[in-house]
Amino acid sequence: GENVEQHPSTLSVQEGDSAVIKCTYSDSASNYFPWYKQELGKRPQLIIDIRSNVGEKKDQRIAVTLNKTAKHFSLHITETQPEDSAVYFCAANTGTASKLTFGTGTRLQVTL
Amino acid sequence: KAGVTQTPRYLIKTRGQQVTLSCSPISGHRSVSWYQQTPGQGLQFLFEYFSETQRNKGNFPGRFSGRQFSNSRSEMNVSTLELGDSALYLCASSFAGQGYNEQFFGPGTRLTVL
Repeated sequence: GENVEQHPSTLSVQEGDSAVIKCTYSDSASNYFPWYKQELGKRPQLIIDIRSNVGEKKDQRIAVTLNKTAKHFSLHITETQPEDSAVYFCAANTGTASKLTFGTGTRLQVTL
Repeated sequence: KAGVTQTPRYLIKTRGQQVTLSCSPISGHRSVSWYQQTPGQGLQFLFEYFSETQRNKGNFPGRFSGRQFSNSRSEMNVSTLELGDSALYLCASSFAGQGYNEQFFGPGTRLTVL
């Protein structure tokens, strides 16, 4: 089955700096890659996603890139703010079924 | 639209008991997936229901089961509870049409097994 690896496990950046989180997946049939943000005690929230027919997608300060050949995808957050502090999960989905395989999460801390 | 809702939000059970958790998807969503979240194992897929049928299943023992009703609401049941079943159980709903895979999570049910 699918396996998703995520790095780093923790990331500390200063406010205004950029943050990058990287994930690799094993199943070349995976075609959908969402990113979720989970604040303490809250539900995971979808922040951005990308499909396998697209190489890059951007939404304001957040962008995701996908390299299908290398089977990795990355989350980029620019101009980080304290409210970006949370745990971020990458995930991969194969086919049209709703079965996500998650990475182990990255705890992002944005310091003042 | 109202978001995904889950009941109850918190549960405390003892070993050997069984528990039923409920999930109401976003209106119009036909797929409900269940995930277990623990500090050690992260987010793990349990199963997915679509049109009242289990469409996918993760690697969990048969003690974990579920069902979906005609209104897309779903229930998850865990029998013969073990200490290791303590976790946050999240459900996620999806429209599940062609190409629509976005999943939106509910707030979760925090299950504690004593």
